[in-house]
Amino acid sequence: EIVLTQSPGTLSLSPGERATLSCRASQSVSSSYLAWYQQKPGQAPRLLIYGASSRATGIPDRFSGSGSGTDFTLTISRLEPEDFAVYYCQQYGSSSRTFGQGTKVEIK
Amino acid sequence: QVQLVQSGAEVKKPGASVKVSCKASGYTFTSYGISWVRQAPGQGLEWMGWISAYNGNTNYAQKLQGRVTMTTDTSTSTAYMELRSLRSDDTAVYYCASHGDDYRFGWFDPWGQGTLVTVSS
Repeated sequence: EIVLTQSPGTLSLSPGERATLSCRASQSVSSSYLAWYQQKPGQAPRLLIYGASSRATGIPDRFSGSGSGTDFTLTISRLEPEDFAVYYCQQYGSSSRTFGQGTKVEIK
Repeated sequence: QVQLVQSGAEVKKPGASVKVSCKASGYTFTSYGISWVRQAPGQGLEWMGWISAYNGNTNYAQKLQGRVTMTTDTSTSTAYMELRSLRSDDTAVYYCASHGDDYRFGWFDPWGQGTLVTVSS
């Protein structure tokens, strides 16, 4: 099973700042089959990025994904008030589709 | 629009079983798979397994093998997840999510709204 480790656990930033979230895999993620999700309290997760770098429909271009192999990054170029939430990475390139433990982006 | 609508909250006693439903609309149900994901209070997301709505093939997370069964009813475009021998640490919100059967299209979108299952004596 591929283990995904996200860092940092919590990111304290102000609106307008840049957020950089990391997701590291215990082994190479096949063909960059990695997704990022955003979850707000009381809501289901929402797909942001798939294929490591492709934005899902309706996702603003301030969200971008990059990386390959074992190291992946989600970048939010300028934080808007609605971006403060928990973010999860997930790999879907193996039979067991694991999630990272999440990074909380909170208002500083 | 494409959506998944789940059944309502459940309260169960330890040792009982629960069956959660997930009704799909807005797309061809048999062209995709359904995964189930749970989230314990204040915790992260845990993938439980998935079922192909095309051929019924399943793949369960190892820690739940023997306690979980996922099925589909293609006549009603509904997926089901049954969890047996419930314990207090099964208390969680249970989500269904749709994705391609092929790894190339394996990202989860859309998600159901979630079903709270509480296990308590």
